[in-house]
Amino acid sequence: DVKVTQSSRYLVKRTGEKVFLECVQDMDHENMFWYRQDPGLGLRLIYFSYDVKMKEKGDIPEGYSVSREKKERFSLILESASTNQTSMYLCASSYQLAGYEQFFGPGTRLTVL
Amino acid sequence: GESVGLHLPTLSVQEGDNSIINCAYSNSASDYFIWYKQESGKGPQFIIDIRSNMDKRQGQRVTVLLNKTVKHLSLQIAATQPGDSAVYFCAENNYGQNFVFGPGTRLSVLP
Repeated sequence: DVKVTQSSRYLVKRTGEKVFLECVQDMDHENMFWYRQDPGLGLRLIYFSYDVKMKEKGDIPEGYSVSREKKERFSLILESASTNQTSMYLCASSYQLAGYEQFFGPGTRLTVL
Repeated sequence: GESVGLHLPTLSVQEGDNSIINCAYSNSASDYFIWYKQESGKGPQFIIDIRSNMDKRQGQRVTVLLNKTVKHLSLQIAATQPGDSAVYFCAENNYGQNFVFGPGTRLSVLP
């Protein structure tokens, strides 16, 4: 079974702090994704990566950056956390960019005070 | 528990009854669709998928129906069980596009 793990289930940070969210997948997938999930809204794509060191902006990249130094690991970085970045963050990986299931991690609930 | 889906539409069904969850998708060019289940405190879990060359696909206790004419997708769960209580959402996709996810429906199974 595909396993996607995220480094933290819950995080509490202060405004202005730099925040790192880590994601690791064990199925040798080329493609990895970061989403945020807010009440009443669908998942919104922040960034995705289709190969090591490659990244593409999603629908809401402002305030975020990403890093993919190894195939299995995809990091989301909040350079200077703000309260409007309080959310659930979900990482996913897939075999192809389109037309195939995305496998999700358990999520990280980030609260920015 | 998590606060995912606080303002979602809710479907309440009696244990043992069948559930039908609906989704209207936006892009007539979408050719691949997934239903996900998300339990409180967990990430989304794949239930079933369907490609646009099909109208219906069945899994274990679940059936997905696709009506391309009206851009509508439905998930049917047979003999709903307490463990089926969760938020369900659909996702649409076509080649070259990112997935678009619906906001979801909360299914509540009554004893």
